[in-house]
Amino acid sequence: GDSVTQMEGPVTLSEEAFLTINCTYTATGYPSLFWYVQYPGEGLQLLLKATKADDKGSNKGFEATYRKETTSFHLEKGSVQVSDSAVYFCALTGLYSSASKIIFGSGTRLSIRP
Amino acid sequence: DVKVTQSSRYLVKRTGEKVFLECVQDMDHENMFWYRQDPGLGLRLIYFSYDVKMKEKGDIPEGYSVSREKKERFSLILESASTNQTSMYLCASSRLHGHEQYFGPGTRLTVT
Repeated sequence: GDSVTQMEGPVTLSEEAFLTINCTYTATGYPSLFWYVQYPGEGLQLLLKATKADDKGSNKGFEATYRKETTSFHLEKGSVQVSDSAVYFCALTGLYSSASKIIFGSGTRLSIRP
Repeated sequence: DVKVTQSSRYLVKRTGEKVFLECVQDMDHENMFWYRQDPGLGLRLIYFSYDVKMKEKGDIPEGYSVSREKKERFSLILESASTNQTSMYLCASSRLHGHEQYFGPGTRLTVT
């Protein structure tokens, strides 16, 4: 079945460091890909998305490119801030899925040191 | 702004009690979902609904039921709460053919 694998955390970086969180997927068909973020004590928020191969999603300085050839959707940010500390979830949904169910990765906890 | 609200942020119940978790969305979305979130296990889908009175089981429906009498409201019911149902419960909604889901703030349920 469809699945998402993302790098295990926690990831701890210093402020202004470069961030990469790896995500790879397995899916039949042509899924849409997402990154969601969960700040402490809150629900999930959509961070960015890409709906077809070679699309780049971007938001708040974060970027991810839909790579069909490597089945990847890695999250990057050039200079992280303390306020980026959160849990990040990679996710996919396929056109064939009933009611557009989303399959989530297990999440990567990111901590940024001042 | 899409808004999904959940009836409680924190809830403490006793083993064997019947528990209702309520979710309301204000964007006229057709789809609504209930997940539970546990450390190391990520998000797991319990039930979802694509229309009023329609429901489908997700990956872990055992011990849960749901109700959707109105389009904007989706309730999760624990018929007889058990300690292994202590978890964070997240509700979400989306358009019928939309892929983005919008989440509520979550209810942290403790069963003692």
